[in-house]
Amino acid sequence: GEDVEQSLFLSVREGDSSVINCTYTDSSSTYLYWYKQEPGAGLQLLTYIFSNMDMKQDQRLTVLLNKKDKHLSLRIADTQTGDSAIYFCAESPNPYYGGATNKLIFGTGTLLAVQP
Amino acid sequence: DTAVSQTPKYLVTQMGNDKSIKCEQNLGHDTMYWYKQDSKKFLKIMFSYNNKELIINETVPNRFSPKSPDKAHLNLHINSLELGDSAVYFCASSQPGHYNEQFFGPGTRLTVL
Repeated sequence: GEDVEQSLFLSVREGDSSVINCTYTDSSSTYLYWYKQEPGAGLQLLTYIFSNMDMKQDQRLTVLLNKKDKHLSLRIADTQTGDSAIYFCAESPNPYYGGATNKLIFGTGTLLAVQP
Repeated sequence: DTAVSQTPKYLVTQMGNDKSIKCEQNLGHDTMYWYKQDSKKFLKIMFSYNNKELIINETVPNRFSPKSPDKAHLNLHINSLELGDSAVYFCASSQPGHYNEQFFGPGTRLTVL
């Protein structure tokens, strides 16, 4: 199937770290992504990880990938109120690199609420 | 200098009507997509086009007909609108050969009464 699962809601205090988890389904996915959706807006790519990597760090963001368990996580360090949004993980289950059939299969989304 | 734009932003209409949503990208990308986001925020691909050619059609009812007059535009026409069509529709574009970063438009909120 094509179910990508995420927990629905996460609440943290400003300054704490946030960890958002995702379980994906297709081991052929070449890239895995984290997108952010602010209220009333479209999606914005935050970061991505290539499937042969275990970890990727990009400023306050750390992505961990466990291919054996098909588990992806996003850690946001020093979470700010501006980080409040819905976070979607996504997989691209077509192994053709950069192909036009690279649809994204999105997770169910995690609403991150940051308390001041 | 908006990268991916959609019109209209809001669309309220009656059941049974026919409506269109337009999408334009000025990024020079070859591939464009339509996604549907339902009331529970679940996002699902509907169509993708590459250089005006239909690539993906994800078992969408044939009341939905995408049209790509050129590679910078992908419009979505919906016939005989139903209550279940109420959703936010997002257009996106990407360039094959990259890591498939998809750039999303701001969305069109369709409400069918």
